[in-house]
Amino acid sequence: EDKVVQSPLSLVVHEGDTVTLNCSYEVTNFRSLLWYKQEKKAPTFLFMLTSSGIEKKSGRLSSILDKKELFSILNITATQTGDSAVYLCAVEMIQGAQKLVFGQGTRLTINP
Amino acid sequence: DAGVTQSPTHLIKTRGQQVTLRCSPKSGHDTVSWYQQALGQGPQFIFQYYEEEERQRGNFPDRFSGHQFPNYSSELNVNALLLGDSALYLCASSGGLGQPQHFGDGTRLSIL
Repeated sequence: EDKVVQSPLSLVVHEGDTVTLNCSYEVTNFRSLLWYKQEKKAPTFLFMLTSSGIEKKSGRLSSILDKKELFSILNITATQTGDSAVYLCAVEMIQGAQKLVFGQGTRLTINP
Repeated sequence: DAGVTQSPTHLIKTRGQQVTLRCSPKSGHDTVSWYQQALGQGPQFIFQYYEEEERQRGNFPDRFSGHQFPNYSSELNVNALLLGDSALYLCASSGGLGQPQHFGDGTRLSIL
């Protein structure tokens, strides 16, 4: 069965800290791995990763994929209270459609 | 440029009733997927529509059905509602394979 596991499930840090969120997967027919940020409603797209070892960066956020070890990390540096959210990792399959298999999410809380 | 829009935002139904949720994809997107997100969980894939046909289906019973219209908008229908159908229903659209899915704010469905 296709599976995506995120860790930790919950994380509380102080503003200014750096955090690393983990995502491991066991799926058949991998196409890509995506990270989303979900605050109240819509998951907001952050990154799409298809190749191993190539870091994607957007401001204080960065992510990298390891297709050999089947995991990805999302780093957030100099965290701010606005980074508080649930971060979702999803794997896209090659099965004739863009089915996404999601992990449970990591709830990140940034305290001032 | 409007993103993915869903209606209604909230809905309260009783067991046994039927419900229809609606989604308009982001401009330029032709593929629509539906997900169910229970509280504290990651979204679960229901099905995907492309060219007005269901392209792939997740592990959901036949009570869940859908439709895509020529303008790419979509509906999700759920019959014979159960208490366990209470969830946030998310619609996502994309411009095709290799492009990330973008999500709407969802419809919060509560079954009494």
